[in-house]
Amino acid sequence: DTEVTQTPKHLVMGMTNKKSLKCEQHMGHRAMYWYKQKAKKPPELMFVYSYEKLSINESVPSRFSPECPNSSLLNLHLHALQPEDSALYLCASSQDLSAGGHIGTDTQYFGPGTRLTVL
Amino acid sequence: DAKTTQPNSMESNEEEPVHLPCNHSTISGTDYIHWYRQLPSQGPEYVIHGLTSNVNNRMASLAIAEDRKSSTLILHRATLRDAAVYYCILRDVYGNKLVFGAGTILRVKS
Repeated sequence: DTEVTQTPKHLVMGMTNKKSLKCEQHMGHRAMYWYKQKAKKPPELMFVYSYEKLSINESVPSRFSPECPNSSLLNLHLHALQPEDSALYLCASSQDLSAGGHIGTDTQYFGPGTRLTVL
Repeated sequence: DAKTTQPNSMESNEEEPVHLPCNHSTISGTDYIHWYRQLPSQGPEYVIHGLTSNVNNRMASLAIAEDRKSSTLILHRATLRDAAVYYCILRDVYGNKLVFGAGTILRVKS
């Protein structure tokens, strides 16, 4: 199974709502990622979890709160978002070969994304 | 992160080979060259990667220049399903980061 699943596929929320995006993989990967992609732009890294610990936060506003409950699951909690946060949110996973010094060969598997609209 | 430069778009005829170029003149000795592609309405998909030698897999071939300052992704017989944005990315050995550039939009004509 080389699949990364994301739920929901689409989400519409108001600026005062609290919602969560979910991501799951069963490939035994130990690194998981959140990316944000605006229309016609490349994906931008938001967060990286390595062995269930947050290792990279790309200066993301605190209204986005990641969580990694276990090695298979990754959540992104959303609160008080702005309309400009509307985007495709992509989750990815990889083996995480950094410990062995082979990070250059680590490849990422992406989910289909959650299309978020903030009204 | 070292930068890559790719053409904005390319067009190919179906069942013909496609050569997608990428320039990375500031590549360091430990950077791997990765290619991903993103089909419409999907997440990115890994295609191939290499360090110094040319590489082949079931999806594509990667030709790396001897000085490593450029590389070419080769699709041997383009199909309509290969229409996508192709990203050339340099992957360093210091962190779990993929930094996507603008990529090349590949259009395939039947």
